[in-house]
Amino acid sequence: ELKVEQNPLFLSMQEGKNYTIYCNYSTTSDRLYWYRQDPGKSLESLFVLLSNGAVKQEGRLMASLDTKARLSTLHITAAVHDLSATYFCAVEEYSNYQLIWGAGTKLIIKP
Amino acid sequence: DSGVTQTPKHLITATGQRVTLRCSPRSGDLSVYWYQQSLDQGLQFLIQYYNGEERAKGNILERFSAQQFPDLHSELNLSSLELGDSALYFCASSSRTGEGTQYFGPGTRLLVL
Repeated sequence: ELKVEQNPLFLSMQEGKNYTIYCNYSTTSDRLYWYRQDPGKSLESLFVLLSNGAVKQEGRLMASLDTKARLSTLHITAAVHDLSATYFCAVEEYSNYQLIWGAGTKLIIKP
Repeated sequence: DSGVTQTPKHLITATGQRVTLRCSPRSGDLSVYWYQQSLDQGLQFLIQYYNGEERAKGNILERFSAQQFPDLHSELNLSSLELGDSALYFCASSSRTGEGTQYFGPGTRLLVL
């Protein structure tokens, strides 16, 4: 059974700092998704990572995937307040294409 | 705007009642997913339909049921409602071609009093 763990679950940081959110998963998968959710709002797709070594960047966010280590990272560079949100990773289960979701990382960026 | 629509946006009802939530997927998407998000339990997958057929079940209670119609819209029926059913209910849709990204609707906020 595929399990997905995110850490940290809560992160409070200052503007201008760098930080990384980690997403570990327990069994083989080649597809990993990152989503963002603002409070009380829907989930917005950020990145889709489809192969080992995949790296995608959008603004101050960069996501990478290491399928051998079963690890994805979401790196935040020079954080700004607008990036405050909850970030979810989701991993596609190899056998049935279902997404298994992490618990989410609540990120608060203080001015 | 993801292209997924959900109605109603808000719903307030009483315990023991039954409600129906509606979802229209993005144009061309055959898969529809339902999720429940409550404060203390994160995002819980309920059920998936693909082109009218049930594809997968998650943590869906027996009091809940869903269906996908020939025009691909989907409905989630919640019955014998309890206080603990208060949550945000999301619908998402995806296409199996391409990257498989699930696109989420705006959600229905259900409050059971």
